Amino acid sequence: QSALTQPASVSGSPDQSITISCTGASSDIGDYESVSWYQQHPGKAPKLLIFGVTFRASGVSDRFSGSKSGNTASLTISGLQADDEADYFCSSYTNSNDLEVLFGGGTKLTVL
Amino acid sequence: QVQLVQSGAEVKRPGSSVRVSCKASGGTFGSSSLSWVQQAPGQGLEWMGGIIPMFGSPSYAQSVQGRVTITADESTGTSYMDIHSLRSDDTAVYYCASGVPGTYYFASWGQGTLVTVSS
Repeated sequence: QSALTQPASVSGSPDQSITISCTGASSDIGDYESVSWYQQHPGKAPKLLIFGVTFRASGVSDRFSGSKSGNTASLTISGLQADDEADYFCSSYTNSNDLEVLFGGGTKLTVL
Repeated sequence: QVQLVQSGAEVKRPGSSVRVSCKASGGTFGSSSLSWVQQAPGQGLEWMGGIIPMFGSPSYAQSVQGRVTITADESTGTSYMDIHSLRSDDTAVYYCASGVPGTYYFASWGQGTLVTVSS
């Protein structure tokens, strides 16, 4: 099964807002409230940011927010900071026979 | 929150097997869900499979079914992932990650283990 579809890269200036999209299907994002988002800095393990589409993980800044419409989920980062420069991955439960968890291909965020 | 510590980097020959371990502390290992995630160099994340230690029956992605074995030892709080018949495209960082069963998100991650397959 194909990964969830994310843009390869996005960029923004400090203090601006950006949104990263994550497109799936009715067998995953569309039918389940199980979208999560992870941040990964180079050489580090992923860090959970958002779970259950909209809920922030413990200790995560309220500058990070999640949403979903149909088969597409979105991560919005407001008030961009230099340390937000990282890779971002979305994930969802899937009812595919092949597997249980589907990840997006990842989006590289560059803070200009 | 569970802390996960993985075993060190491995270099293996094609056709051989590798075992990666993941030791948990600070949480309820038996009732957590423990998954393994692959990240090939410069690539995204791929879920390989998972296990709930207190139940013991793992589930696998079809892409690795038959070549990967995931186990968990409740007495030591450790999960293991064995990969058999290694190929060059198995070269990757492997992460263990834990969460609440039935929620499909991972709040805790190990530091990652690099497995290099090379002749």
